[in-house]
Formats: sequence, C-alpha cells, structure tokens
Amino acid sequence: DQQVKQNSPSLSVQEGRISILNCDYTNSMFDYFLWYKKYPAEGPTFLISISSIKDKNEDGRFTVFLNKSAKHLSLHIVPSQPGDSAVYFCAALYQGGSEKLVFGKGMKLTVNP
Amino acid sequence: GAVVSQHPSRVICKSGTSVKIECRSLDFQATTMFWYRQFPKQSLMLMATSNEGSKATYEQGVEKDKFLINHASLTLSTLTVTSAHPEDSSFYICSARLGNNEKLFFGSGTQLSVL
Repeated sequence: DQQVKQNSPSLSVQEGRISILNCDYTNSMFDYFLWYKKYPAEGPTFLISISSIKDKNEDGRFTVFLNKSAKHLSLHIVPSQPGDSAVYFCAALYQGGSEKLVFGKGMKLTVNP
Repeated sequence: GAVVSQHPSRVICKSGTSVKIECRSLDFQATTMFWYRQFPKQSLMLMATSNEGSKATYEQGVEKDKFLINHASLTLSTLTVTSAHPEDSSFYICSARLGNNEKLFFGSGTQLSVL
C-alpha cells in the first residue's frame, strides 16, 4: 500500500516556465513532508520541506504547498531551468512515530532549453 | 516495482555496543547500494556507496572504521555502527540501484537510538 504517491512519472516543461510536481499521501498521521532531487548516478539531495502546521514554504525558486484536507502537496519551480532536470522524490514523515521516512516513487522533470 | 527491505526498523542500544543494519534487494540484484543518514528535519546525507565485492566508498567526514559496510552479495549490504555513541542516534536509510537503471529503490529506514 503506497502511502505517498507521485502519480505522474514524468513532466516536461520549457525553460522559464513553471514546473508543478504533485504528491498525494494517504496517512493522516504524516506531519512533515520533504522533497528530494536526484541527478543520474548520484544520491538524492534534500530540496525543501514543510511542516504540517504550515501550508506554504518558499525557498528561492522553489515553493512547496500543502493541502492537509486533500492530503496533497505540490512543488512549484519558477522559473524552471535546464539544470532542474532531475528526478524529484516526495517523502513524508510521522515525527511522533518511528520517524520512518516514506518516499514516493519519484517523478522525472525535464526542462527544455 | 523493485523492493528493498531494510531491517531492523528501529533499534535501541546501549552506548559502546555495535549495531548491524541489513539492506536487501528482494527481487533484483543490486550491484550498488547507498547508505544515508538523516537527522530530524535535515537533509538525507549520503554516507557511503557500497559496491558488491569491493570496498565501500565513503563520503567526506564519514568514519569508515566506525561505519562498517559489507556488500557480500548482489542482494545484501550491511551497515554496522561500531561502538555506538549517543551522537550516532539518527535515521539510517539504504537504497539500491536496479542494474544500470538510474532509478533508486529505498529501504524504509532504521531509527537508531543510542542510550
């Protein structure tokens, strides 16, 4: 049973446009969410996170939105750059439990010049 | 999809003891496995890359004598935290790469608490 879902396996956008990556979760106990970015042949690197007490967190070109009622979060990248092309993982955590990090399967973003 | 099993999910140990964490690829052969460490609310930090049949490659700042990695088969890599101390308390997660495919499959992680 997938508790964190990234239903779209890939996304292609033009440079300068907005990239929107979506993530859904099923476990209402999750209270902390993270996005990881991964380049080929490298391990994932942390990108941005959000606590369940917030509905938005912004860091430069990256903004994560959380809709708790819909159990949905999204990552916005604007403007998108070719260097953003990578696989993005959504992950969720229940801090009061085992702190087991549950990852989505990832989504490949391609930003075309 | 491919499954990576990581055990135990949680371990509590006394300071000075050693703890072994196993990472298994259940339905595929993984020539390369990765071990990460994550402190609460911080990024997942790569500790080492484990290659089957050879020595692990450690990231800068990671003590190879403290974090022993053994990748003896194509389906199993182990991380042993030797002489654990409270500062070693953290969340450890492994991942495995499916052949030449760049996609990484992650274990569910191990929460280590050293008293």
